[in-house]
Amino acid sequence: KNQVEQSPQSLIILEGKNCTLQCNYTVSPFSNLRWYKQDTGRGPVSLTIMTFSENTKSNGRYTATLDADTKQSSLHITASQLSDSASYICVVSGGNDMRFGAGTRLTVKP
Amino acid sequence: DAGITQSPRHKVTETGTPVTLRCHQTENHRYMYWYRQDPGHGLRLIHYSYGVKDTDKGEVSDGYSVSRSKTEDFLLTLESATSSQTSVYFCAISLIGTSGDYNEQFFGPGTRLTVL
Repeated sequence: KNQVEQSPQSLIILEGKNCTLQCNYTVSPFSNLRWYKQDTGRGPVSLTIMTFSENTKSNGRYTATLDADTKQSSLHITASQLSDSASYICVVSGGNDMRFGAGTRLTVKP
Repeated sequence: DAGITQSPRHKVTETGTPVTLRCHQTENHRYMYWYRQDPGHGLRLIHYSYGVKDTDKGEVSDGYSVSRSKTEDFLLTLESATSSQTSVYFCAISLIGTSGDYNEQFFGPGTRLTVL
């Protein structure tokens, strides 16, 4: 069964620190993997998208990596800011299927 | 929110009543989707549309119906709302379908529905 698992479920860090969020998937065949940021009370907004041939993609302080062999991805946030407090959702597409992870809730404290 | 509006943004209703949620886009995207988001679950696809009057079921379609009479509007109807349909509903749009390599979806602001 196609699934996407994210860890940790929630994370609290201090402003200015770095953090890494994990995504493991079993979706097959694989087409692409995206990371979305969802602020409270808003819809998800795309951060990065990677296809099979891409193993890293950056968007400002956000860097996503993909290991298609082990079916793992990570999202690294550098020098966190209060505005990074949000849920981060991993989405994996393959064939006609698209699976969403349950998300990691990140809280950045001053 | 990428030219996507949802209405209403909040609704409280009673079990057994019909409810219709509206998604309106100004981007002229071909594909439109309805998802529900519940705590502990990823977004789950209810129904989607790949053109005017062309719709198909998603993962959790039971109890829901949809209609798309114009490119810009996609309606989600709960014929007889139940408490299990209490959720946050998101509409999304995309230029290409799920099978495309860069099938980015853009999401609306969501509708919070409570069924008492």
